[in-house]
Amino acid sequence: DAEITQSPRHKITETGRQVTLACHQTWNHNNMFWYRQDLGHGLRLIHYSYGVHDTNKGEVSDGYSVSRSNTEDLPLTLESAASSQTSVYFCASSGDRGNEQFFGPGTRLTVL
Amino acid sequence: AQSVTQPDIHITVSEGASLELRCNYSYGATPYLFWYVQSPGQGLQLLLKYFSGDTLVQGIKGFEAEFKRSQSSFNLRKPSVHWSDAAEYFCAVGPMDSSYKLIFGSGTRLLVRP
Repeated sequence: DAEITQSPRHKITETGRQVTLACHQTWNHNNMFWYRQDLGHGLRLIHYSYGVHDTNKGEVSDGYSVSRSNTEDLPLTLESAASSQTSVYFCASSGDRGNEQFFGPGTRLTVL
Repeated sequence: AQSVTQPDIHITVSEGASLELRCNYSYGATPYLFWYVQSPGQGLQLLLKYFSGDTLVQGIKGFEAEFKRSQSSFNLRKPSVHWSDAAEYFCAVGPMDSSYKLIFGSGTRLLVRP
């Protein structure tokens, strides 16, 4: 069965370190998204991609970057982790316009 | 601007009671509407979706939702709640700005009393 996976599931890091969160999908979807989930804020869009070599900023993109070298993967990089980036991160993918997004299980990131 | 409002942060119901979770949206045209459920420590799972046609939509786990254009609402209902329904529920609307993006409400946490 097709799926979307994230790794690691839990990560503890220190302020200032670079961190990369992996997202891999086997749906063969062109569209991929990264969200962060914080209490009281619901899901906020960080970055998204509509295909290989395409990346776009979401509403909370400062301090984050993504790259898309193939259809299956959209890694999220925190260039210099900050305590404000402690959160749960979700990756999602979707097919054609209007289709639902399929979510990964999430990565809980703690920045000390 | 497009937005989604879930006015209830928490709702508590007794097991076996009926449930209605509210969702209101602001959108320039007829949107695509979604309800997702998130169990603790899990990702989001799609419950149901509305694109067009019949305004009463059936989903998984016995849930249904009704699209009311005049009220800009897409409320989620279930006639008899089970303890396993305790979770957080998110309403979403899209596509946004001629894109594939969705905008999510802030969620409603459902607690179920035994």
